[in-house]
Amino acid sequence: QVQLVQSGAEVQKPGASVRVSCKASGYTFVDYFMQWIRQAPGQGLEFMGWINLRSGDPGYTQKFQGRVTMTRDTSISTAYLDLSRLESGDTAVYFCARAAIGHPNDFWGQGTLVTVSS
Amino acid sequence: EIALTQSPDTLSLSPGERAALSCRASQSVNNNYLAWYQQGPGQAPRLVIYGASSRATGIPDRFSGSGSGTDFTLTISRLEPEDFTVYYCQQYGSAPRTFGQGTKLEIK
Repeated sequence: QVQLVQSGAEVQKPGASVRVSCKASGYTFVDYFMQWIRQAPGQGLEFMGWINLRSGDPGYTQKFQGRVTMTRDTSISTAYLDLSRLESGDTAVYFCARAAIGHPNDFWGQGTLVTVSS
Repeated sequence: EIALTQSPDTLSLSPGERAALSCRASQSVNNNYLAWYQQGPGQAPRLVIYGASSRATGIPDRFSGSGSGTDFTLTISRLEPEDFTVYYCQQYGSAPRTFGQGTKLEIK
């Protein structure tokens, strides 16, 4: 069965960087995109961007351009989100979600809480 | 970027009643690629409806979706206790994908 398992919770100081991983299983990794969505405490869902898992080409929303990097390692079916220059407003649960063009996000990771605090 | 506006923000109903949640897009959604997600407390979103009206795997038939273009509706015909949570619409026909702000369905 399809599973996306994310790395554990992180606590980082302002100005630092964080990496969240998302390990996929149960399907052919490179046949899909991986998208990253975050949710601040008590708030809605915010789309951050995506990575084409076959080519490695990413696409980021304008808000995160310059601070976010999405990569993948096809040998271990794992996608990564790197976010730099963290601020308190980056405190959120970060989700990975599988997608394909013309298809919704049908499977999601369990979420990773990133807390930014001095 | 397509903006999605959900209404109402909060809907108070009783179990057994019918719920209608609205999602309006700032421009037409390509191919009616509109999805609805259900999110319980501390959980990841769960796909409920895709393509505006197709139920996802394992979703009960009391959930239905309708609409096209810019106006979409999620209907829950007979509310069960487990249905009282938050629902988000999402358009996936244009990049970047966008979400509505969510509708909280609460027990009256």
